[in-house]
Order: sequence, then C-alpha cells, then structure tokens
Amino acid sequence: GQNIDQPTEMTATEGAIVQINCTYQTSGFNGLFWYQQHAGEAPTFLSYNVLDGLEEKGRFSSFLSRSKGYSYLLLKELQMKDSASYLCAVHSGNTGKLIFGQGTTLQVKP
Amino acid sequence: DTAVSQTPKYLVTQMGNDKSIKCEQNLGHDTMYWYKQDSKKFLKIMFSYNNKELIINETVPNRFSPKSPDKAHLNLHINSLELGDSAVYFCASSRLSSTSTSESYEQYFGPGTRLTVT
Repeated sequence: GQNIDQPTEMTATEGAIVQINCTYQTSGFNGLFWYQQHAGEAPTFLSYNVLDGLEEKGRFSSFLSRSKGYSYLLLKELQMKDSASYLCAVHSGNTGKLIFGQGTTLQVKP
Repeated sequence: DTAVSQTPKYLVTQMGNDKSIKCEQNLGHDTMYWYKQDSKKFLKIMFSYNNKELIINETVPNRFSPKSPDKAHLNLHINSLELGDSAVYFCASSRLSSTSTSESYEQYFGPGTRLTVT
C-alpha cells in the first residue's frame, strides 16, 4: 500500500528552528518533494530529494534517508509568513504521480 | 504571464447539475494533472495526461471525465454533481523526463477551483 505520515500540526516561535518529519511506505520511489501551501492558495515547490542526504536552499533544508523511508524539512530563522501547511509528497512510478501526505500545519507565533 | 490558470475560481451549484472546470498552462509542459483537495486538506491525484494521452486514472467515479484538447489544456467535466464532490480542485503541470531531477517532475499548481455543491 501507499502511506505517508506527517504530524498534523506544529507550533514554533518566530526566529526559531523547526523540523517537520515525514515517513513513507510506497510501492515505488523516484524522489520526495516538499511543498508549501498557504491558506486558500496553491501548493508551491520548496525542495526535492532523490538521493540520501541534505539539500539546503536558503532558510529551508530537506533531508532524505531512503533506507529508513524518512525525510524532514528544516526551517530556520522562522518568520511569521512561514505559517502555512507543508506537504510531503513521494514521486512514485514514471508517470509523474505524486502521493501526498496529509500536510503539517505550522503556526509561527511572535 | 500566469503559469497555470484555472477557471472558474469559485463554483457554487446544486446537486445533480453538470459543470466543467478549465485549466491552461503556458510553461511548455507535456503533462497535466487534476487533484482534489478535501476539507481535511488531503491532496489526491485524480487524472494525468501526457501529450494528450491519459496516463493516470485513479479510482474516480466515472461522473468525472477529463479532456485534453492539446498539451496546454486539460479540462474536467463533472456530471450529476453530489454533495461529496465539494472540494478544491487543483490543476497542475510538469515536464516528464527520464532523468531524475526536480526539473523533471516538479509540478506547478494552478490557483484552484473551490467547488461547493448544495
């Protein structure tokens, strides 16, 4: 079966660091995406991992361990505008099919 | 200069009606998708077309029928609307490639169509 798990909600303080975890069990794996979605808006691409290790992009980093079926998104120097849902998605197969987790709603407080 | 556009943005209709949502992308991508996002924010793939050919068809009621007149357009027609069809429908596009890079598979999403069935 296909299963992707993320925490439903997280809260953090402005200026702090937060890590959002994602575990997956899928029948195929061609990479893992993280998307950000603000309320009432479309998901936007944040990061992509296909090999094990850490990918850094400014304040955002994403880590992947394929053997453990595990990824995390790290957000540093949190800003109020980072309050949003963060969606973990596994690319399965060769058709571009993305399987999404339920999303983690992050609330950043002053 | 919108990358992926959808119309309408909001759609309120009664049970039993038939409605269509249109999607267009100007990114030159060869693959387009329809997703449904329910009230719990869970985003689920419905259909995908690559070069006008249906390549993903998830377990979706046959009241939903996608149509792709060309690579830049993917429409979704829904017959006999039901209360459970109420959701936000997102169109997305990407470029499929044999190389595993983010450019190959990153999907760009449209602004969404909020469908409310009463």
